[in-house]
Amino acid sequence: EIVLTQSPGTLSLSPGERATLSCRASQSVSSSYLAWYQQKPGQAPRLLIYGASSRATGIPDRFSGSGSGTDFTLTISRLEPEDFAVYYCQQCGSSPTFGPGTKVEIK
Amino acid sequence: EVQLVESGGGLVQPGGSLRLSCAASGFTFSSYEMNWVRQAPGKGLEWVSYISSSGSTIYYADSVKGRFTISRDNAKNSLYLQMNSLRAEDTAVYYCARESHYYASGSPFDYWGQGTLVTVSS
Repeated sequence: EIVLTQSPGTLSLSPGERATLSCRASQSVSSSYLAWYQQKPGQAPRLLIYGASSRATGIPDRFSGSGSGTDFTLTISRLEPEDFAVYYCQQCGSSPTFGPGTKVEIK
Repeated sequence: EVQLVESGGGLVQPGGSLRLSCAASGFTFSSYEMNWVRQAPGKGLEWVSYISSSGSTIYYADSVKGRFTISRDNAKNSLYLQMNSLRAEDTAVYYCARESHYYASGSPFDYWGQGTLVTVSS
C-alpha cells in the first residue's frame, strides 16, 4: 500500500498570500495518478487537481499542481477567503489512498 | 446536474448491520465506476470499496473485507453498501463517490454525495 504524508499539518496564512502544500509518497506514484481535493467543514471533498497538474472543471487558475515520483505540490497563488479549508492528496488506482490532510487556516 | 444522495445511516450496536444506499441522478449511472469513502469524526478520508460499472469487479479495503459488501442496481441508478459485524471503529460519515473518466489519471473521484453518518455504539 502506498502511504501518503502531507506537510505541514496546518498552514496559517492571510488572504492574498501564497500557499504551498506538500504531499510525499512512500513509493513512486505515477504522476498521472495523483489528485488533490479540497474539503470545507460539513461538506464533501471537491476534486481540484488530477493527473498531478490538471485542474478539474470549474477550478480557478490560482490552484496549480506539480511534482513527480514521490514528491508533489499543490500551490494556491493568492489565497481567497473561500480557500481556507483542508486539502487532501490522493493516489488513484485499484487501492486508492489519501494523505492525512493539510489545514489552511486564516492567520 | 450530477447528484449523489446517500441514505441509511444511523446508530447501530457493535456487531449489528446496516445498509447504505446512494441514489444517483443527472448522469448515465451504468457507465461509471463507483466507490464508498468514509471519514471518521475529525479524521481524514479512507477509501472503503469500489465497484465497476457492470458490477463485475469489486475491491475492498482490508479494514472492511469480509464484513462489507458493495453492490449496485443500474436499473434503479443506485449504489449500496451492506455493512455487517459493525465495530466502533466503523463510526464515520460514509460518502459515495463517482470515478471520473480521466482514465489516464487513474480515475479520481469527481463527484461526491453529501454523506451519511454511521455511529456504532452501545
